[in-house]
Amino acid sequence: TQLLEQSPQFLSIQEGENLTVYCNSSSVFSSLQWYRQEPGEGPVLLVTVVTGGEVKKLKRLTFQFGDARKDSSLHITAAQPGDTGLYLCAGKGAGNNRKLIWGLGTSLAVNP
Amino acid sequence: DAGVIQSPRHEVTEMGQEVTLRCKPISGHDYLFWYRQTMMRGLELLIYFNNNVPIDDSGMPEDRFSAKMPNASFSTLKIQPSEPRDSAVYFCASSPSGGRDTDTQYFGPGTRLTVL
Repeated sequence: TQLLEQSPQFLSIQEGENLTVYCNSSSVFSSLQWYRQEPGEGPVLLVTVVTGGEVKKLKRLTFQFGDARKDSSLHITAAQPGDTGLYLCAGKGAGNNRKLIWGLGTSLAVNP
Repeated sequence: DAGVIQSPRHEVTEMGQEVTLRCKPISGHDYLFWYRQTMMRGLELLIYFNNNVPIDDSGMPEDRFSAKMPNASFSTLKIQPSEPRDSAVYFCASSPSGGRDTDTQYFGPGTRLTVL
């Protein structure tokens, strides 16, 4: 069974701090996605990484896919209260199966 | 364009009652997914459809759960009889079959189900 482990599970920081969250697996994925979920809403896609070693930037967010396509990280620079939410990673296996394997998420609170 | 629409947003029912959750996917999306989210187990895929046909229902907990997609714009998830352990937030998501965001799943706002 494919599993995605996210760490840390909870993170509470002050505005302006930097942070990194991790998504790890023993399985290889054809692609990996990061979603953010705010209270009372569904997850919203932030980014998809496909190539091993790929780095993508979205404003203050930097996403990296591991060289072996088994892990990924999300780094936030100068966090703001608006970054507060649940960050979920989801991996897709090879082939046409649309099923995503989801991590449990990292709950981030950025305090003003 | 309207996103994924789910109804009701909140449902409180008593153990043993039938519950029906509804979903309208984004127009033109060929894939529809039903998820359940809890603190302990996170986001779990229950079933997904492609062109109204169930493709993978391995996540459906047991026979008390059933899902249908009678047409491209409507799907239901039914629980009968409901039990307290079914309490969770249920999400519907849809996805296009082609294009650059082919693997992106667009989620609805969810239905918070409480079974007393």
